[in-house]
Amino acid sequence: AQTVTQSQPEMSVQEAETVTLSCTYDTSESNYYLFWYKQPPSRQMILVIRQEAYKQQNATENRFSVNFQKAAKSFSLKISDSQLGDTAMYFCAFMARFGGGSNYKLTFGKGTLLTVNP
Amino acid sequence: SAVISQKPSRDICQRGTSLTIQCQVDSQVTMMFWYRQQPGQSLTLIATANQGSEATYESGFVIDKFPISRPNLTFSTLTVSNMSPEDSSIYLCSARDTGEAFFGQGTRLTVV
Repeated sequence: AQTVTQSQPEMSVQEAETVTLSCTYDTSESNYYLFWYKQPPSRQMILVIRQEAYKQQNATENRFSVNFQKAAKSFSLKISDSQLGDTAMYFCAFMARFGGGSNYKLTFGKGTLLTVNP
Repeated sequence: SAVISQKPSRDICQRGTSLTIQCQVDSQVTMMFWYRQQPGQSLTLIATANQGSEATYESGFVIDKFPISRPNLTFSTLTVSNMSPEDSSIYLCSARDTGEAFFGQGTRLTVV
């Protein structure tokens, strides 16, 4: 079974500073995807960044970047130049095949509530 | 990327009644998923809905309580049946599209 662990229930950061959110996962699959989603109070799940397991290069999207350590099964998110609008719940998620077929399932961590302070 | 329209966005329902939530995707997708998110919690997968076959339910969720339809590649519904206050939650639909998963806006359900 796949599991995703986010060990930081809450974090806070000052505006313009950098913060790193941690995520580890466990799987026996070799081909999978990893994601970070942001959920503001509006409850809309917004995809922040995506990483394919077969790619060694860490994904980046503007101020957001990941540190993907496949051997350690670690997938942390770094937010640079934090902005007030970054305040949200952040979920790490893992997607891989299940049932031996072509179906994929998305498994979420428990989330990290990030607060950006002015 | 796919865009998913989910409705209703919120509802307040009497216990014992049923509510059907609809999700419309702006493109054809093979797999759609339904999640429940209780207050302050993560997302829990209820079931996977594939077009042309029965939905696959996760442990703890049954078809009689959460019947799902998937009549075509762009649409799915989830019904929450015989509701009790314990069903008060946010329900989200999701669609997988080329290695990414996209979400509807969620339905905030309150059962009184």
